[in-house]
Amino acid sequence: DVKVTQSSRYLVKRTGEKVFLECVQDMDHENMFWYRQDPGLGLRLIYFSYDVKMKEKGDIPEGYSVSREKKERFSLILESASTNQTSMYLCASSLGATGGGELFFGEGSRLTVL
Amino acid sequence: AQSVTQPDIHITVSEGASLELRCNYSYGATPYLFWYVQSPGQGLQLLLKYFSGDTLVQGIKGFEAEFKRSQSSFNLRKPSVHWSDAAEYFCAVGAPQAGTALIFGKGTTLSVSS
Repeated sequence: DVKVTQSSRYLVKRTGEKVFLECVQDMDHENMFWYRQDPGLGLRLIYFSYDVKMKEKGDIPEGYSVSREKKERFSLILESASTNQTSMYLCASSLGATGGGELFFGEGSRLTVL
Repeated sequence: AQSVTQPDIHITVSEGASLELRCNYSYGATPYLFWYVQSPGQGLQLLLKYFSGDTLVQGIKGFEAEFKRSQSSFNLRKPSVHWSDAAEYFCAVGAPQAGTALIFGKGTTLSVSS
């Protein structure tokens, strides 16, 4: 089975802190994604990567950056956390050269910024 | 640009009754279409997908969906709902191109009454 592991299920941070959310997949997938999930807004794409060291902005990249130094790991970085970044963050991966393939999701990281 | 609309925010169905969740998409060509389910506190799980071919697709847990190009719809159905089906359901659309990502609808919450 494909496994996508997000390092932290729950985090509490203070405004202005730098926050790292880590995601690791074990199936050699080319593509990795970070989504943000908020009630009533569904899933919104923050960033994605279709190759090592490659990244593409999604719909809401402001306030976030990403890093993909190794194929299996995709990190989401909040340089200076703000209260409006309190949310559920979902990492996903998919196989293949095309971008529209099936996504495999981690269980999510719930971030609270105080 | 791709987009997905799930017109129903919340639906309540009696246990044993049939279910239909609506999904409309906007995309210039034939897209990849997906339905995902998220149980409380869990990540997203794929129910079914449509890439091409037969427009009626079968998924897990007794779900099916029908792709109707003329209506730009991909509605999810189940003939008899079980209490364990209570969850949030997301429709998603993808493009068969490298360097793209799935776009999700805002979700429909399903409640099951006894």
